[in-house]
Amino acid sequence: GAGVSQSPSNKVTEKGKDVELRCDPISGHTALYWYRQRLGQGLEFLIYFQGNSAPDKSGLPSDRFSAERTGESVSTLTIQRTQQEDSAVYLCASSLFSGVVGEKLFFGSGTQLSVL
Amino acid sequence: GQQVMQIPQYQHVQEGEDFTTYCNSSTTLSNIQWYKQRPGGHPVFLIQLVKSGEVKKQKRLTFQFGEAKKNSSLHITATQTTDVGTYFCAGRTGTASKLTFGTGTRLQVTL
Repeated sequence: GAGVSQSPSNKVTEKGKDVELRCDPISGHTALYWYRQRLGQGLEFLIYFQGNSAPDKSGLPSDRFSAERTGESVSTLTIQRTQQEDSAVYLCASSLFSGVVGEKLFFGSGTQLSVL
Repeated sequence: GQQVMQIPQYQHVQEGEDFTTYCNSSTTLSNIQWYKQRPGGHPVFLIQLVKSGEVKKQKRLTFQFGEAKKNSSLHITATQTTDVGTYFCAGRTGTASKLTFGTGTRLQVTL
């Protein structure tokens, strides 16, 4: 597609349920990021995939959070046993990787997660 | 871990006034990027700086990268209502490392 696509755009769930968020990056982009943005706050890094390298999971806030990426395409972020503090916009971004200088990120429109 | 702070957190200006946001990293950066997020939108890339002391201009926006590659600034001359949004800096410590975003500066412009 033309841009980064995220689904669903909105997700309302009950506390304790599991949720799965999906990200389709721009074709050919080897780098993929997940960020969390609470209302009125900054972007909190969650996880970074780059090609076939081991992902950088250093931002995942707890073992309830996990993410996978299939090759250099779609990624899913899974939150188990959701808590109210998980409510936020989850943003996915992708970029090329030149290996020389950093590449710019293209963001999706995000998934607004509300945990009741 | 790496921390990137921005000041101020919020600034309200009258249209036509200048605006500056400052970005400070706890570690030396290989490059720094700036993004703008309009209310209700997602971050959009503005520019990247790579060299120590680098200065780049985009119309009314001037971006600087510090000599020590640990700080950066964005200056907007003669703000317009279209400049409203949150400005984030984002830095890497290496070309293959993750991009860490700053805390952001929210700009409000009124007539």
